[in-house]
Amino acid sequence: NAGVIQTPRHKVTGKGQEATLWCEPISGHSAVFWYRQTIVQGLEFLTYFRNQAPIDDSGMPKERFSAQMPNQSHSTLKIQSTQPQDSAVYLCASTTGGGAETLYFGSGTRLTVL
Amino acid sequence: GDKVKQSPSALSLQEGTNSALRCNFSIAATTVQWFLQNPRGSLINLFYLVPGTKENGRLKSAFDSKESYSTLHIRDAQLEDSGTYFCAAEASNYQLIWGSGTKLIIKP
Repeated sequence: NAGVIQTPRHKVTGKGQEATLWCEPISGHSAVFWYRQTIVQGLEFLTYFRNQAPIDDSGMPKERFSAQMPNQSHSTLKIQSTQPQDSAVYLCASTTGGGAETLYFGSGTRLTVL
Repeated sequence: GDKVKQSPSALSLQEGTNSALRCNFSIAATTVQWFLQNPRGSLINLFYLVPGTKENGRLKSAFDSKESYSTLHIRDAQLEDSGTYFCAAEASNYQLIWGSGTKLIIKP
C-alpha cells in the first residue's frame, strides 16, 4: 500500500499560468478530499468527492479553481491564471467510506507562484 | 472565535519527558482525529476517536464529548516526536474543523 500519492511534490509557476495538481487515493478508498495549507490560514477545506461524484466544493475559490475525479484512481485540482496568493501546500486525503473517518493524507504539493 | 482551540501553541521538551496537548471545542463534536505533521510536511494520522480513550505505544488520547475537549499525552518523548500536532473535530458526516496546531520541539 503506497498510501495517497500526490504529484508533483513541488511546482513553481509564473503569475497567470495554469497549474494542475494530481492525487492518487489509496486503492479501495471511495472518498477524496482536497485541502490547502498556509502559515496564515492553516488547513482549509477545498472540496470533497465520494465515489467520484463531487459532494461539496464550498471551499473552492469560485473563479479559477476546479477539481475533477474522472476515475476512482485519481483526482486533479486545476488552478487557472495562478496568483501569488495561491502559493500554498495543497494536500489530498482519502478515506474508505466517505464519512469523517480516518483521513490518510498524501505528502502534498508545494505550489509557488512567482 | 475558534471552534477548535488547541493549547499550547508551542512546546519545547527534553527527550524522555512527558507532555499533554489539549483541544477544546465550541462545536458539538462527535469524533476527533489527531495528526502529526512531521518536519517533511507529511500529515500522519495518530488517532481516530469516538468518546473514550485510545492508546498506541507512547501515545494516549482521550475525547470527552460532554465536556467538549480532547487530550493527547506523549510519554517518554523522543526526537522523532518533533513536529506539529493537529486535532480535528467532526462537524458533519464528512467535514472536519481543524485546530491551529501545537508545535512540539524535542531537545536531546
